[in-house]
Amino acid sequence: QVRLQESGPGLVRPSETLSLTCTVSDDSISRHYWSWIRQPAGKGLEWIGRMYGGRSTVQSTHYNPSLDSRATMSVDTSTKLVSLKLTSVVAADTAIYYCARGNWQYFQSWGQGIRVTVSS
Amino acid sequence: VMTQSPATLSMSPGERATLSCRASQSISTNLAWYQQTLGQAPRLLIYDASTRATGIPARFSGSGSGTEFTLTISSLQSADFAIYYCQQYNNWPRTFGQGTKVEVK
Repeated sequence: QVRLQESGPGLVRPSETLSLTCTVSDDSISRHYWSWIRQPAGKGLEWIGRMYGGRSTVQSTHYNPSLDSRATMSVDTSTKLVSLKLTSVVAADTAIYYCARGNWQYFQSWGQGIRVTVSS
Repeated sequence: VMTQSPATLSMSPGERATLSCRASQSISTNLAWYQQTLGQAPRLLIYDASTRATGIPARFSGSGSGTEFTLTISSLQSADFAIYYCQQYNNWPRTFGQGTKVEVK
């Protein structure tokens, strides 16, 4: 079973860029869709974005418009890493961030999540 | 918008639990259910409204189409006390309901 491990800074200052990576344990990265989902403390789940790990002739990347174009994902098949950058962070971006593997539709495998706090 | 009800369900082990999820517009059967236990990541239970994911016990079942969906747990086990989320994948962005907490009565 695939294992996903998120990593990155636990504390980010307001207005800076949050950078997270997700390490994928197997060679499935190019055959699946990869998403980032976040969860503020005590609250529900918010989908951030999705990217296909392989080559595609159709649009394979989508982001949640609620993030005002601040999110960018990338996939590196050689290092088995899925990355997320979130620019101009504010306190409301404080959350647990999950990496998830899935298909075009839903999320089949999740990492354990990484807690990120935005504070000066 | 996905709306789940009730927000909290107080149940005893062995009882039958029925959780609801309503979509603001028709989403056909493009719905998934997830379970999140305390401190853990969500786990996929059901997709396509009624198909159990790999390894999910038969006591979990999903039904519905269009705008009304139900997750049923036929006989609650101790491991089932958790928060349950529905998620639609008919439209972008993918969205979740706010969750239903199933707690011990």
